[in-house]
Amino acid sequence: DGGITQSPKYLFRKEGQNVTLSCEQNLNHDAMYWYRQDPGQGLRLIYYSQIVNDFQKGDIAEGYSVSREKKESFPLTVTSAQKNPTAFYLCASSIDGDNTGELFFGEGSRLTVL
Amino acid sequence: GDSVTQMEGPVTLSEEAFLTINCTYTATGYPSLFWYVQYPGEGLQLLLKATKADDKGSNKGFEATYRKETTSFHLEKGSVQVSDSAVYFCALSEKGAQKLVFGQGTRLTINP
Repeated sequence: DGGITQSPKYLFRKEGQNVTLSCEQNLNHDAMYWYRQDPGQGLRLIYYSQIVNDFQKGDIAEGYSVSREKKESFPLTVTSAQKNPTAFYLCASSIDGDNTGELFFGEGSRLTVL
Repeated sequence: GDSVTQMEGPVTLSEEAFLTINCTYTATGYPSLFWYVQYPGEGLQLLLKATKADDKGSNKGFEATYRKETTSFHLEKGSVQVSDSAVYFCALSEKGAQKLVFGQGTRLTINP
């Protein structure tokens, strides 16, 4: 079945450590996105990529980094510079950047900093 | 900038009750409007959408009408079920903006 796979589903990290969240899609979508979800705040865009080897900052990119070396993959690194990293992270994709309304989401990764 | 405001939750209803979740938006152009649903422990799924004024989106008994004059896109369902318990997100996308703007979400709980 086609879809988006995020891993790990749950992740614990000590303060000062970087951590990388995986996102893989087999939908042949061009565009991919990372959102952060906090209680009562909805979803906020971290980074997005419309094509391979290109990505743009979203509204809350500070303390995060991404890469888009393959069309299928868009990993997110949460660095030690991110002041409040505990959150639920959602990866999404769309057919192309102009069709952003119809996003397909993964099941999310919950990161907890101890 | 563009923004979406939803009614605050949580919302708790009894089964078969009528549901309305309010959503209003601010946008510079003529956005497309969406409702997404998030069931417990899962990612978001597109529930319905409308791309121009007066369009009505519908799916699984849910409906929402794009009202340009009131900049609103309220979600309604005539008779809710326990299985509708979830978090509902209103969102907009401006043409060419290359991203979706979400509201804060409304948690809905349906009691049997």
